[in-house]
Amino acid sequence: GAVVSQHPSRVICKSGTSVKIECRSLDFQATTMFWYRQFPKQSLMLMATSNEGSKATYEQGVEKDKFLINHASLTLSTLTVTSAHPEDSSFYICSASPGTNHYEQYFGPGTRLTVT
Amino acid sequence: GQNIDQPTEMTATEGAIVQINCTYQTSGFNGLFWYQQHAGEAPTFLSYNVLDGLEEKGRFSSFLSRSKGYSYLLLKELQMKDSASYLCAVLGGSYQLTFGKGTKLSVIP
Repeated sequence: GAVVSQHPSRVICKSGTSVKIECRSLDFQATTMFWYRQFPKQSLMLMATSNEGSKATYEQGVEKDKFLINHASLTLSTLTVTSAHPEDSSFYICSASPGTNHYEQYFGPGTRLTVT
Repeated sequence: GQNIDQPTEMTATEGAIVQINCTYQTSGFNGLFWYQQHAGEAPTFLSYNVLDGLEEKGRFSSFLSRSKGYSYLLLKELQMKDSASYLCAVLGGSYQLTFGKGTKLSVIP
């Protein structure tokens, strides 16, 4: 149980375009979903926390107008990177929690974004 | 603020024992996690400590000392498949999970 999927697993896009990444909890309802970013040889950095049906809470330094998060249902959250630039190239990982705290997080397989 | 330190890289021999240390300074503490992450993959949960002491789970054990802000992950009977990055993560006072940069472990024959 507790499986989280992400789609796509890899994406290459041109600078200036937008990319949408989906995160789904397959066998449980995710009250809370988290989006992380990981640059090479760096730690996972929390970008934002989203609760179903409400606006996401962004971490300091993360532009909410650039990284649009939608948590429209209890099994799906999407991250849209708008007007992507090469410096946005990174490994994006989502996690989902059946509760409202961070104790129990199940991670998705990640999405490798490359912006050319 | 949150600060989590762990060694960048370690090498150990197949069949041996290795200890990966983690020190932390956080505002508030609600537990410490260890995750395993293979290259290009998402982290997978290994252990969770919230009280002082040693938690053993098969070949892996995790220790916590809250007064010292210190934890370690102990891996016994190392196997080649244990080559991965090991991430220490602390659940702070605001219940936000903060990750260390990870320790890349290489297991050699």
